[in-house]
Amino acid sequence: DADVTQTPRNRITKTGKRIMLECSQTKGHDRMYWYRQDPGLGLRLIYYSFDVKDINKGEISDGYSVSRQAQAKFSLSLESAIPNQTALYFCATSPFWAGGAFNEQFFGPGTRLTVL
Amino acid sequence: QKEVEQNSGPLSVPEGAIASLNCTYSDRGSQSFFWYRQYSGKSPELIMSIYSNGDKEDGRFTAQLNKASQYVSLLIRDSQPSDSATYLCAVSESGGGSNYKLTFGKGTLLTVNP
Repeated sequence: DADVTQTPRNRITKTGKRIMLECSQTKGHDRMYWYRQDPGLGLRLIYYSFDVKDINKGEISDGYSVSRQAQAKFSLSLESAIPNQTALYFCATSPFWAGGAFNEQFFGPGTRLTVL
Repeated sequence: QKEVEQNSGPLSVPEGAIASLNCTYSDRGSQSFFWYRQYSGKSPELIMSIYSNGDKEDGRFTAQLNKASQYVSLLIRDSQPSDSATYLCAVSESGGGSNYKLTFGKGTLLTVNP
């Protein structure tokens, strides 16, 4: 089945460590997104990419970086993790439709990150 | 700042009843509207999409859109305990290349009581 996968699914790390979260998809979608979800704050966009050469900051990109290694792979890095980056992180993909009116997003299973 | 507001909940309904979830949005140029269901600790799952004014039905789910009022709703008929989840409203952003981003509401927690 065409799918979106994320690794790792759970990670506990310490303040100051570098962490990479990986996302792979077999849906053939061009567009990929990284979100974080915090209780009471909803889903917030960190970075998004419309193709391998296109990377864009979302509303909360500070402290994060991304790499689009291929159409199917989009990684999120925390260069120096801090406790308030403890959250549930989701990768999502979206197909391209000419005219742009149809842009449903499909989510991976998530990574629960805890920074001590 | 584009905003999507949902009724804060939690919403509790008896099994078999109709659950009504509401959402308003601030971006008048938005073209695409989605409802996601999210079980606790799981990822959001797309359950409905709507692009034109009016109603769209899919099984027990009906999405309603009124662009003039900037309002979108989700009705769940014959609610089942398995419908207990948080429902997220998502609205596409408009303007200059941002049409492929979604703004999400904070969600409404629905509990269906047996």
